[in-house]
Amino acid sequence: DQQVKQNSPSLSVQEGRISILNCDYTNSMFDYFLWYKKYPAEGPTFLISISSIKDKNEDGRFTVFLNKSAKHLSLHIVPSQPGDSAVYFCAASAGTGNQFYFGTGTSLTVIP
Amino acid sequence: EPEVTQTPSHQVTQMGQEVILRCVPISNHLYFYWYRQILGQKVEFLVSFYNNEISEKSEIFDDQFSVERPDGSNFTLKIRSTKLEDSAMYFCASVATGISYEQYFGPGTRLTVT
Repeated sequence: DQQVKQNSPSLSVQEGRISILNCDYTNSMFDYFLWYKKYPAEGPTFLISISSIKDKNEDGRFTVFLNKSAKHLSLHIVPSQPGDSAVYFCAASAGTGNQFYFGTGTSLTVIP
Repeated sequence: EPEVTQTPSHQVTQMGQEVILRCVPISNHLYFYWYRQILGQKVEFLVSFYNNEISEKSEIFDDQFSVERPDGSNFTLKIRSTKLEDSAMYFCASVATGISYEQYFGPGTRLTVT
């Protein structure tokens, strides 16, 4: 069951430009969303989160937007840097302490 | 900065053998999780653990799997009789409190079943 979907397996962006990574979900009970960044042979690293009471959360170069009616969230990275090259996963949860459902990931390559 | 650690980093085992994957969560965290990622696929939830018992588990977490927190610091995942399809990266994660969603992940253990 694909409760969380990332339909773009890969994305290439020029350094300095904006990277936009998208994520869709199906379960309307999800109330908390996270973005993780993952390098090869490492565990996922928390990047930024958003709860369903907000539609935007910003942390430095990273901004997450949530559109609850469309069940869609996106991660914006501005400006993109080569060190941002990694696989990005979105994850969603319905309630504290509950499991997170992960998307399949989008591999971002930032070209210098 | 506190971090979740996992050992071993790579485990090779023969089909049918038992394996134990070990995790040391961040010391003041209360909720613990195991996830796995088969190569090229998404990260999948296996089990969550709170107050010395399983709080939630997925359909993947069948009778071959068990978890334990034997000594207040380690959190282990045991696979009783490994199958080829158990080959994956296994990630442990922990969360500080019931009001925090942020899961801290360990670096993972790569399990290869031959």
